[in-house]
Amino acid sequence: DAGITQSPRYKITETGRQVTLMCHQTWSHSYMFWYRQDLGHGLRLIYYSAAADITDKGEVPDGYVVSRSKTENFPLTLESATRSQTSVYFCASSESRGAANEKLFFGSGTQLSVL
Amino acid sequence: GIQVEQSPPDLILQEGANSTLRCNFSDSVNNLQWFHQNPWGQLINLFYIPSGTKQNGRLSATTVATERYSLLYISSSQTTDSGVYFCAVSSNRDDKIIFGKGTRLHILP
Repeated sequence: DAGITQSPRYKITETGRQVTLMCHQTWSHSYMFWYRQDLGHGLRLIYYSAAADITDKGEVPDGYVVSRSKTENFPLTLESATRSQTSVYFCASSESRGAANEKLFFGSGTQLSVL
Repeated sequence: GIQVEQSPPDLILQEGANSTLRCNFSDSVNNLQWFHQNPWGQLINLFYIPSGTKQNGRLSATTVATERYSLLYISSSQTTDSGVYFCAVSSNRDDKIIFGKGTRLHILP
């Protein structure tokens, strides 16, 4: 039971570089989410997806791009990384709305440092 | 969008004490969940509770949707209960799941 996995676990990059964080889930959950966690802000929603090829902005989408060509994958791309994007990034998934249990399940996170 | 406020922001208790954490939200919700983030950063789902009351061992939660709040009760605290507790909600208007800023709980041995 692999669940939801994120890679890499740690990433160091430089300002201006493109970086992609990967998220893969094995439950066939409809919904997938990306959050960033910063001290003093809790978890803030970046983007989410209700199904393959359907994505929508969250609270803090600027500077990020997502895609969802397959149900199980939801990569997050920083097109030109900035120091303010240094954070811990969490991916999560849940069943569809109206399902008996809409619990949200999280990956282990990716710690990203932009130098 | 929906606003989520958690209180208190910080709580320090002796082992064995009981605690109540509160989550207020600004709009009608169809989804409310409580999470525990342990000191290693893992986020564990405690309850899915858009309304009513649930219990799981020493933890219980109550959501009063009509009054827009939820409470998480921890009884007979243990040091392993330390960490940050988050409330997350989704309004009836869209599918976003929005988190509060959390309550940091520290249980002293």
